[in-house]
Amino acid sequence: GNSVTQMEGPVTLSEEAFLTINCTYTATGYPSLFWYVQYPGEGLQLLLKATKADDKGSNKGFEATYRKETTSFHLEKGSVQVSDSAVYFCALSENTGGFKTIFGAGTRLFVKA
Amino acid sequence: DSGVTQTPKHLITATGQRVTLRCSPRSGDLSVYWYQQSLDQGLQFLIQYYNGEERAKGNILERFSAQQFPDLHSELNLSSLELGDSALYFCASSVGLAGGRYNEQFFGPGTRLTVL
Repeated sequence: GNSVTQMEGPVTLSEEAFLTINCTYTATGYPSLFWYVQYPGEGLQLLLKATKADDKGSNKGFEATYRKETTSFHLEKGSVQVSDSAVYFCALSENTGGFKTIFGAGTRLFVKA
Repeated sequence: DSGVTQTPKHLITATGQRVTLRCSPRSGDLSVYWYQQSLDQGLQFLIQYYNGEERAKGNILERFSAQQFPDLHSELNLSSLELGDSALYFCASSVGLAGGRYNEQFFGPGTRLTVL
């Protein structure tokens, strides 16, 4: 079945460092891809998404490109801030007459001042 | 605040018991989704309802059931509870039935279930 694999954390960076969180997926069809962020004690928030190959999703300085040839959707940010400390989830969703979302295991990011 | 509300925030119960979790979607949203987040299983999709009908099913146990009512709120019923059912249960809602460029899921704050 479909699955999502993302790099294990925690990832610890200093403020203004470059961030990459790797995500690869397995899918039989043409899923939509997402990055969600979860701050402590809160529910998930959609960070960005891409619905077809070569689409780039971007939001709040984060970006990810839907790469069908490498089945990847890596999250990047050029300069992280302390406020970016959270857990990041890569996910894919299939339109099956409904909308089933499969999440990766999550990557915890700590940003130090 | 996503606009999705879940009650209760915390629930502590014993093995073998039955509980009901409640979710109110954002105003105007027709789809409701349920997810379970636990340390060992991660975040798992359970089930989706759209305008009262079940539309997608994930790893939902037979001991669990859900429904969406005419006013669009949803309830997740968990019965014969086991220790392993302890988890955060999230509800999300979206405007439409399925994915698309403008169809975003909004998550509630979750209900933390502890089974002792």
